[in-house]
Amino acid sequence: AQKITQTQPGMFVQEKEAVTLDCTYDTSDQSYGLFWYKQPSSGEMIFLIYQGSYDEQNATEGRYSLNFQKARKSANLVISASQLGDSAMYFCAMREAEYSSASKIIFGSGTRLSIRP
Amino acid sequence: DSGVTQTPKHLITATGQRVTLRCSPRSGDLSVYWYQQSLDQGLQFLIQYYNGEERAKGNILERFSAQQFPDLHSELNLSSLELGDSALYFCASSLLAGEVDTQYFGPGTRLTVL
Repeated sequence: AQKITQTQPGMFVQEKEAVTLDCTYDTSDQSYGLFWYKQPSSGEMIFLIYQGSYDEQNATEGRYSLNFQKARKSANLVISASQLGDSAMYFCAMREAEYSSASKIIFGSGTRLSIRP
Repeated sequence: DSGVTQTPKHLITATGQRVTLRCSPRSGDLSVYWYQQSLDQGLQFLIQYYNGEERAKGNILERFSAQQFPDLHSELNLSSLELGDSALYFCASSLLAGEVDTQYFGPGTRLTVL
């Protein structure tokens, strides 16, 4: 069965430092997609970045990059030059059967990131 | 703003009651997903609709049902409500035209069952 594990319940980071949020996954599918979402205290879920299992390059979106290590089944989120507004809950998610219109998505338990000024 | 709208934002009701949550996907998106976020269960996928048809089911209780209408908006119906149904309910949408695509979430409906 597919599973997403986020082992860091909470993290404190100094402003302007880079931060890595860990995510490991388990799936028997060859084709899948990995996502990161941010949930600020206001509650909305904000899409950050996506990585497909066949993508050879690590995904990047502005200050966000995804360190994808397929053999280790890890998809860590890296935030460069952290800002106070990055304080939020971060969720890693996976969708199996990447090209299927009927695939399910599961989420990890999340990491609460707090940025110190 | 993701372009996905959900109403109402907040809902307070009593045990045993029935409520309907509404979601309008982003313009052009054909797929709608429903999620439940509670403190003890985390974020759980409930159900997916694609162009009016049910496509995938997750941990959705039998007391819950959903549908997607011809204009692509979706409704999630929760009946015989229990205290444990109190949660934040998200709707998300995606284009899903046979390609990999991203889900964009609405602001959520916070349901409180007293």
